[in-house]
Amino acid sequence: GNSVTQMEGPVTLSEEAFLTINCTYTATGYPSLFWYVQYPGEGLQLLLKATKADDKGSNKGFEATYRKETTSFHLEKGSVQVSDSAVYFCALSDRSGYSTLTFGKGTMLLVSP
Amino acid sequence: GAGVSQSPSNKVTEKGKDVELRCDPISGHTALYWYRQSLGQGLEFLIYFQGNSAPDKSGLPSDRFSAERTGGSVSTLTIQRTQQEDSAVYLCASSPGTSPGGELFFGEGSRLTVL
Repeated sequence: GNSVTQMEGPVTLSEEAFLTINCTYTATGYPSLFWYVQYPGEGLQLLLKATKADDKGSNKGFEATYRKETTSFHLEKGSVQVSDSAVYFCALSDRSGYSTLTFGKGTMLLVSP
Repeated sequence: GAGVSQSPSNKVTEKGKDVELRCDPISGHTALYWYRQSLGQGLEFLIYFQGNSAPDKSGLPSDRFSAERTGGSVSTLTIQRTQQEDSAVYLCASSPGTSPGGELFFGEGSRLTVL
């Protein structure tokens, strides 16, 4: 079956540091890949997505590239801000006909001033 | 509002009691999902509704859990004879349709605490 593995947190960084959160997946076929973010006290919201190999999703300074050869979708940001503190979830959606998502366990990011 | 609405936002109940959690999806969204978010466990898929089709109940953890969706809109997740391990945040999401790889829109969740 489908599965998503992402690095355990919390990830603690100082403001303006470089961020990488690793995500690898197992899936049949060619899934779509997503990063969702959950800010404190809020619901999950889509951060970025990529629907085919070599696509790069980007939003709010975050990027992730769909790497089929390594089955990875690592999240990166060049300079984090305190406001980026949140829990980040990597997810995949298979192509079986509907978009039920399989999520990783989430990685908490804490950014200090 | 324009987003997915869930109620109650917090529910504390005693072991053995039944609880109902409500989800009001975004207007016009035909697909509705329930997930459970437990500490350290990520998001666990529970059930999926698409239009008038039979729901996909493959994620429900036991027969104490059930859900219905009336009129293709509002959904209620019912947990009977609650147990302490049912304590979690229950998330509802909706999406516009059946296109694979589509985005899900989440509510803020209902936090259930079973004493």
